[in-house]
Amino acid sequence: DTGVSQDPRHKITKRGQNVTFRCDPISEHNRLYWYRQTLGQGPEFLTYFQNEAQLEKSRLLSDRFSAERPKGSFSTLEIQRTEQGDSAMYLCASSLVGGISYEQYFGPGTRLTVT
Amino acid sequence: AQKVTQAQTEISVVEKEDVTLDCVYETRDTTYYLFWYKQPPSGELVFLIRRNSFDEQNEISGRYSWNFQKSTSSFNFTITASQVVDSAVYFCALGIQGAQKLVFGQGTRLTINP
Repeated sequence: DTGVSQDPRHKITKRGQNVTFRCDPISEHNRLYWYRQTLGQGPEFLTYFQNEAQLEKSRLLSDRFSAERPKGSFSTLEIQRTEQGDSAMYLCASSLVGGISYEQYFGPGTRLTVT
Repeated sequence: AQKVTQAQTEISVVEKEDVTLDCVYETRDTTYYLFWYKQPPSGELVFLIRRNSFDEQNEISGRYSWNFQKSTSSFNFTITASQVVDSAVYFCALGIQGAQKLVFGQGTRLTINP
């Protein structure tokens, strides 16, 4: 049984560089979510997809952020021109809509450090 | 607006003690879902329980139990006979509109000392 996977687990980049993270959801799940978690805080919602459609974006998702889920399977989150304030844990989760429950299952996260 | 408040930032107890983690939520929606997640030092959020707004029945799962009270907008979590492995950060979360997105509290860091 494969859970949600994320790659890379850690990323260190210099300010101004672009970074891309990948998330592979649980295979039968049709919803995929991205959250951001900073130190000492709870996760904050960024965006979610149902199949390949991006249905909601948080105000936290500035123009420098873009997420895609081209074939309704894996998703990528790209941050352009990174800033030190982007340093955080980026969490991906997936869920099955139409099932008997709505719980979201989370991956291990990608920890981004911008220097 | 939706909001989740976990007033206890940190709790430290000795092993085998019972401990209750508080969660208070705010929403104007009549249909909503409440969740508890555990985040151990490894960092991955582990789903513990989901409760929908129409089901106020309390639940017990082994040493874990949950008390949902709509009258006080609370969804508290009790660990009985705590163990060192229970040490983690625990998050309460609220999902509305079919739980498309979750609103998390700030978390409670629980430390169980041997």
